[in-house]
Amino acid sequence: GAVVSQHPSWVICKSGTSVKIECRSLDFQATTMFWYRQFPKQSLMLMATSNEGSKATYEQGVEKDKFLINHASLTLSTLTVTSAHPEDSSFYICSARPSGSGDTGELFFGEGSRLTVL
Amino acid sequence: GQNIDQPTEMTATEGAIVQINCTYQTSGFNGLFWYQQHAGEAPTFLSYNVLDGLEEKGRFSSFLSRSKGYSYLLLKELQMKDSASYLCAVLDSNYQLIWGAGTKLIIKP
Repeated sequence: GAVVSQHPSWVICKSGTSVKIECRSLDFQATTMFWYRQFPKQSLMLMATSNEGSKATYEQGVEKDKFLINHASLTLSTLTVTSAHPEDSSFYICSARPSGSGDTGELFFGEGSRLTVL
Repeated sequence: GQNIDQPTEMTATEGAIVQINCTYQTSGFNGLFWYQQHAGEAPTFLSYNVLDGLEEKGRFSSFLSRSKGYSYLLLKELQMKDSASYLCAVLDSNYQLIWGAGTKLIIKP
């Protein structure tokens, strides 16, 4: 099946620093990618929809200036957590849907990135 | 508002059968997904239903009743590796995925 690679898997950073997480579709093109965060024992919470070549669409309550999303190519989207604070510590997951598969196409998920802010 | 309900936790015995229910109230419906998520890992796709009825895929089956706003995931011949959270997600009229909170399934020997 299609593979989505997410990097880094684990990151520990100091409060106030910025962290960039990459999401790559390795064997397919993805016009749209999705970014989620997941707190322990809770479901996925969609943060934003990343569209190649245009601005991301953020969900209500998600600060777009804090969570910068860039979808520069059909195979790469990045999420940058700026000025991270301990409350930003979470499991961040990306997913991608192959271009042309339609809105009901299967989503392929990255491995997730666990961020710990000290 | 949009709402997806599924039990928080279920326990079953290895080799047995378990049914995980999901009820939904969403603005429109364009299909229902089931995903499996092991602790600390990303979700993996299990099934997609858009028409009423049962779809079988090996040990896993998924059922949908659109008129009742109801789906279930049936797992047969349970194995220890099936211990995971099972997430129900509905695609609404805007093709946005609405996620349930997930059901943690515990398998006992």
